[in-house]
Amino acid sequence: EIVMTQSPATLSVSPGERATLSCRASQSVSSNLAWYQQKPGQAPRLLIYGASTRATGIPARFSGSGSGTEFTLTISSLQSEDFAVYYCQQYNNWPGTFGQGTKLEIK
Amino acid sequence: QLQLQESGPGLVKPSETLSLTCTVSGGSISSSSYYWGWIRQPPGKGLEWIGSIYYSGSTYYNPSLKSRVTISVDTSKNQFSLKLSSVTAADTAVYYCARRSVVPAAMPFDPWGQGTLVTVSS
Repeated sequence: EIVMTQSPATLSVSPGERATLSCRASQSVSSNLAWYQQKPGQAPRLLIYGASTRATGIPARFSGSGSGTEFTLTISSLQSEDFAVYYCQQYNNWPGTFGQGTKLEIK
Repeated sequence: QLQLQESGPGLVKPSETLSLTCTVSGGSISSSSYYWGWIRQPPGKGLEWIGSIYYSGSTYYNPSLKSRVTISVDTSKNQFSLKLSSVTAADTAVYYCARRSVVPAAMPFDPWGQGTLVTVSS
């Protein structure tokens, strides 16, 4: 099973600033990496797939990069609605495994 | 627009079997382009993929749960179901169903159902 490790566990950023979240895979997952956003009481929402492709309706301030084992989600200018928990998931191998999440909180 | 909706008991006793159904609307579960999956999230914790099924009935289960999980599909009702046997308090979680595209290329889960909380308690 591929282990996904996200860092940091909690990130405190001010609105309008940039946030950078990291995700590392225990072995290569090629570009089969997704990012989800989850708000309290809601299901996860797909943000990024293929490591860098934004899902339908996702604002351009969200961008993903990386391949192999190292991945990054960048939110260029944080809006109030962006404060949430973010998960990465590899879907290159069965079972598709998730990271433990990064909580993005208001500084 | 595709929608998924989980349904089933919100309370299950220890050692019994948890049973949930996901009803798909706005699209056919019989499409060869998709897998249908179950994911769970214990309160305050992260996400765990439980298993997935293809319309033909082919299944893939998380090895950590494989001995207790059965996922089935009913194409006539446009539904797929989850059974988890011998539950304990550790199985208390929000259970989500979701779709995963595999044609023309592998994709992650999208969309998801709203989720349903299942509590294991006597």
